Amino acid sequence: GAVVSQHPSWVICKSGTSVKIECRSLDFQATTMFWYRQFPKQSLMLMATSNEGSKATYEQGVEKDKFLINHASLTLSTLTVTSAHPEDSSFYICSARDLSRSSYEQYFGPGTRLTVT
Amino acid sequence: GQNIDQPTEMTATEGAIVQINCTYQTSGFNGLFWYQQHAGEAPTFLSYNVLDGLEEKGRFSSFLSRSKGYRYLLLKELQMKDSASYLCAVVDSNYQLIWGAGTKLIIKP
Repeated sequence: GAVVSQHPSWVICKSGTSVKIECRSLDFQATTMFWYRQFPKQSLMLMATSNEGSKATYEQGVEKDKFLINHASLTLSTLTVTSAHPEDSSFYICSARDLSRSSYEQYFGPGTRLTVT
Repeated sequence: GQNIDQPTEMTATEGAIVQINCTYQTSGFNGLFWYQQHAGEAPTFLSYNVLDGLEEKGRFSSFLSRSKGYRYLLLKELQMKDSASYLCAVVDSNYQLIWGAGTKLIIKP
């Protein structure tokens, strides 16, 4: 149980275009999902916390108008990278907490590798 | 600010034992997680400690002693596939996960 999927697993886009990444909890409900970014050989960096039915909470330094987050249901959160630039190329990972468990464990999706050319 | 410290990199020999320490300065403590992350992949859960003691799962153990300041992940009978980054994360008083930068473990034959 506690499986999180991400789509797409990898994407290549041209500079200036937008890319949407989906994060789904497949067998549990998640009121809270998290979006991370990880550059090569660097640590996880939390970008934002996504709450179902409300606005996302962004970490300091993350542009909310560039990284649009929508948590439309208890099983789906989306991250849209708008007007992508080559410096946005990174590994984007989502995670989710299981509503039914009294645990702070985060279940991670497999990640999406974004390359902006 | 909140901070998690762990070694940047460690090297060990196949079949040996390695201990990865984690220290933290956070606003409160509601448990400590260890995750494993292979290169190019997402992190996977290893263990969670909230009470003092030892959590064992096969070759991996995690130990917590808040009073004595011990928090570590112990890997026994190391295998080449254990080469990965090991992430320590602490649940703070707001129930948010504060992540360490990870310890890259290199296993040599």
